[in-house]
Amino acid sequence: EVQLVESGGGLVQPGGSLRLSCAASGFTFSSYWMSWVRQAPGKGLEWVANIKQDGSEKYYVDSVEGRFTISRDNAKNSLYLQMNSLRAEDTAVYYCARGYLEDYDFWSGYHFYFDYWGQGTLVTVSS
Amino acid sequence: DIQMTQSPSTLSASVGDRVTITCRASQSISSWLAWYQQKPGKAPKLLIYTASYLESGVPSRFSGSGSGTEFTLTISSLQPDDFATYYCQQYHSYFFTFGPGTKVDIK
Repeated sequence: EVQLVESGGGLVQPGGSLRLSCAASGFTFSSYWMSWVRQAPGKGLEWVANIKQDGSEKYYVDSVEGRFTISRDNAKNSLYLQMNSLRAEDTAVYYCARGYLEDYDFWSGYHFYFDYWGQGTLVTVSS
Repeated sequence: DIQMTQSPSTLSASVGDRVTITCRASQSISSWLAWYQQKPGKAPKLLIYTASYLESGVPSRFSGSGSGTEFTLTISSLQPDDFATYYCQQYHSYFFTFGPGTKVDIK
């Protein structure tokens, strides 16, 4: 059974840092793209970051570029999100999600959708 | 970046109704579109991928269609378990975007 379990959320002051973790089990972690998606209280879903199977490619939403770093440890079946310079608008439930690779083409790259999600971890940025 | 819109934002319906939700992309995304269902306090659940393919285990009353910039999610006969919020998401580019969501509530 595929399981994704996030941890590391909590209350942090503006300008502070936090590191989220996602422990994966039930599948070959190193074979999948992985992502972080967040949801502010009462709001919709917002994609945050993607990381390729070997960590060689990473992509971020503009609002976190330069502040957040996605990484993975395939030996530990774990995904991470290092969040620095946190702002009030980063307050959200953060989900990790597995990317199911459907296709690749030279012109538009890899195409993958989220087939499994964790239960989420709440990050609150407030003084 | 590719922008996604959904309509309506809220939909009131009764059990047994046929429900259609529309999702539009700001540029062509071919068929690289997924639909998710989310209930309060829960993680999203994949319903449809590549615009029209039903994820394993999802009831056949759910269906998706469209390509390019316009897509629809249809629930053929709404069931009590279907009252939830639905999101479309494009995965044409690496910079994914979700639609703002459509809340389906009880009429």
